[in-house]
Amino acid sequence: DAGVTQSPTHLIKTRGQQVTLRCSPKSGHDTVSWYQQALGQGPQFIFQYYEEEERQRGNFPDRFSGHQFPNYSSELNVNALLLGDSALYLCASSLQSEQFFGPGTRLTVL
Amino acid sequence: GESVGLHLPTLSVQEGDNSIINCAYSNSASDYFIWYKQESGKGPQFIIDIRSNMDKRQGQRVTVLLNKTVKHLSLQIAATQPGDSAVYFCAENILGAQKLVFGQGTRLTINP
Repeated sequence: DAGVTQSPTHLIKTRGQQVTLRCSPKSGHDTVSWYQQALGQGPQFIFQYYEEEERQRGNFPDRFSGHQFPNYSSELNVNALLLGDSALYLCASSLQSEQFFGPGTRLTVL
Repeated sequence: GESVGLHLPTLSVQEGDNSIINCAYSNSASDYFIWYKQESGKGPQFIIDIRSNMDKRQGQRVTVLLNKTVKHLSLQIAATQPGDSAVYFCAENILGAQKLVFGQGTRLTINP
């Protein structure tokens, strides 16, 4: 049974560009949450998807958007990238309370 | 407010000793607390959790203690091993909020 998978593992973009990150949840999990982890910091909650809808959102601008597909996989989109968006983006899936994290996508904005 | 903080950013212990990592939280509405371990280049890995109606929970070599009176959480690791070297995060789930709030993390280093 594969755990949470994310793609790509690393990504380099320039300011103003747009990026899409992908996540496949652990088998049987229906809820996906996205977190941003800056270097040396704890993960910060971006939003959570359940039944293809955004159920909860953290303090992130509208440049951050997402989507969940019928197979429960999810995408995180970031528009108009800023240097400060450079971070590790983590996806976590859950069925009830325990969240399982993927390895993350390291995004570097130049 | 929503904040989870840690008392110490770094902790060094001798191999074989016990480690205690502390965490303070501020939201009384938190119903569930989790400790995660994060190794370099990897996502956070679940270690142990505890519900707010409990004050102690034990796992394999780990124990979590919850003191709701002073809003304090601790992780005890018995007989630390080199593989325990990592950054440890506490996180709280706020009742009804459907999200985890993480602290900044404590880096645990095991000395041979």
